[in-house]
Amino acid sequence: EAQVTQNPRYLITVTGKKLTVTCSQNMNHEYMSWYRQDPGLGLRQIYYSMNVEVTDKGDVPEGYKVSRKEKRNFPLILESPSPNQTSLYFCASGKGDNTGELFFGEGSRLTVL
Amino acid sequence: GQNIDQPTEMTATEGAIVQINCTYQTSGFNGLFWYQQHAGEAPTFLSYNVLDGLEEKGRFSSFLSRSKGYSYLLLKELQMKDSASYLCAVRPLSGGYNKLIFGAGTRLAVHP
Repeated sequence: EAQVTQNPRYLITVTGKKLTVTCSQNMNHEYMSWYRQDPGLGLRQIYYSMNVEVTDKGDVPEGYKVSRKEKRNFPLILESPSPNQTSLYFCASGKGDNTGELFFGEGSRLTVL
Repeated sequence: GQNIDQPTEMTATEGAIVQINCTYQTSGFNGLFWYQQHAGEAPTFLSYNVLDGLEEKGRFSSFLSRSKGYSYLLLKELQMKDSASYLCAVRPLSGGYNKLIFGAGTRLAVHP
C-alpha cells in the first residue's frame, strides 16, 4: 500500500530535549516536505527536499533541521525544542509532476512543556 | 510573497450545494489546489487548476480566474461525510511542482 509513515504519532517532551520525528515514503517520490499546522494559521512549510542530499528552507524553518540521505526518508530534527514548537506536524511527499499532488502522513502531535 | 484568504467556517444542509471561495495575492503563480482534511486526519488531494475555467470531478468542481486571483470549490449533493476542512493552496513559480502554500482552511459543517 502506498503510504507516508510518520513516527511518533504523539509525543510529549520537555524544553531542550532533542527529538527526531521520522518520515518514510514507499512511493519512490523525489519530493518530500515537512509542514506544521496550527489553529488559524493552516499548514506552514518548514523544510522541503527535491531530491537526495538537496534540502531547502520553507516559510518557518527556525528551530528545525532536516536531512535527506536516502530517497525514502526525511527526518525532522528539533535540536532544542521550545514550547512554541508545540504543534501538529505533517510529512508529505510528491511525484514532482504537474498535478502537484501531495501525499500526507497521518501527522505527529508534539507537545513541548 | 503569498496571501491566501478563505472563510473560516461554513454550514450547509445535506443534499444542498455549497461554494467555498478562495482569493489569493501572489508574486508568482503556477496553479491552485484544493485539499480536504477530515478532523484528526491528513489532508487529501481534491483538485488543481492551472488555467482559467472549471474543472469537474464527480460531485466536486473547482474554478479559477487568474486575472481576479480567485478560485472556488463547489460541492454538490452534499453528504454528511463532506463535513471537513477544505484547504486552498497556491503553487508559486519557484520551488518545483510540489511546493504549495496553504490558506488557513474553511471548516464545513453539513447538517441533516
